[in-house]
Amino acid sequence: RKEVEQDPGPFNVPEGATVAFNCTYSNSASQSFFWYRQDCRKEPKLLMSVYSSGNEDGRFTAQLNRASQYISLLIRDSKLSDSATYLCAVSRTDTGRRALTFGSGTRLQVQP
Amino acid sequence: DAMVIQNPRYQVTQFGKPVTLSCSQTLNHNVMYWYQQKSSQAPKLLFHYYDKDFNNEADTPDNFQSRRPNTSFCFLDIRSPGLGDAAMYLCATSASGYEQYFGPGTRLTVT
Repeated sequence: RKEVEQDPGPFNVPEGATVAFNCTYSNSASQSFFWYRQDCRKEPKLLMSVYSSGNEDGRFTAQLNRASQYISLLIRDSKLSDSATYLCAVSRTDTGRRALTFGSGTRLQVQP
Repeated sequence: DAMVIQNPRYQVTQFGKPVTLSCSQTLNHNVMYWYQQKSSQAPKLLFHYYDKDFNNEADTPDNFQSRRPNTSFCFLDIRSPGLGDAAMYLCATSASGYEQYFGPGTRLTVT
């Protein structure tokens, strides 16, 4: 089993739709969780950290479910500019919190 | 603006010819990372520096080496590139292991 798993997609949604991605992780002791956005042939950019209580940033909401070991990202009112690959990242426990394990990403395509 | 800079953005090298990729940062972060990313795959951590402390991943080939001469700069040396080393190489930084910020990457082609 991979340490961090994501549905690769693609998720094809119309503009204005709400879309949700999940990311499962195998190490129950992981402490830090993040969502990154990666455009084609570009670097990953930090979208948001994921806190235990859940957090929201505009149209984006991140949730953590420790019992089931997954994090989620909800995007409301999708825009064409949201089309990208969304990577989740989970801190490793063998290096303190310094190193992250990334998922392979979920590709989102927002259609006009 | 504080940032992570990578040079060159594109590098073409011949099979077996050593190549060095560079990364610099103005964020004054104490941790620097090198990742390899191939198409449709997750970024794969090669190694990282926590201050001057070098941490190599167990599965990073010996062909890959790194140097960090000071807080701001970090280099990735590929001693004898093979065709399988063609990838995007990403440098990232963090402040003591919190959020990581990536540079734009160097796309390496091996001919």
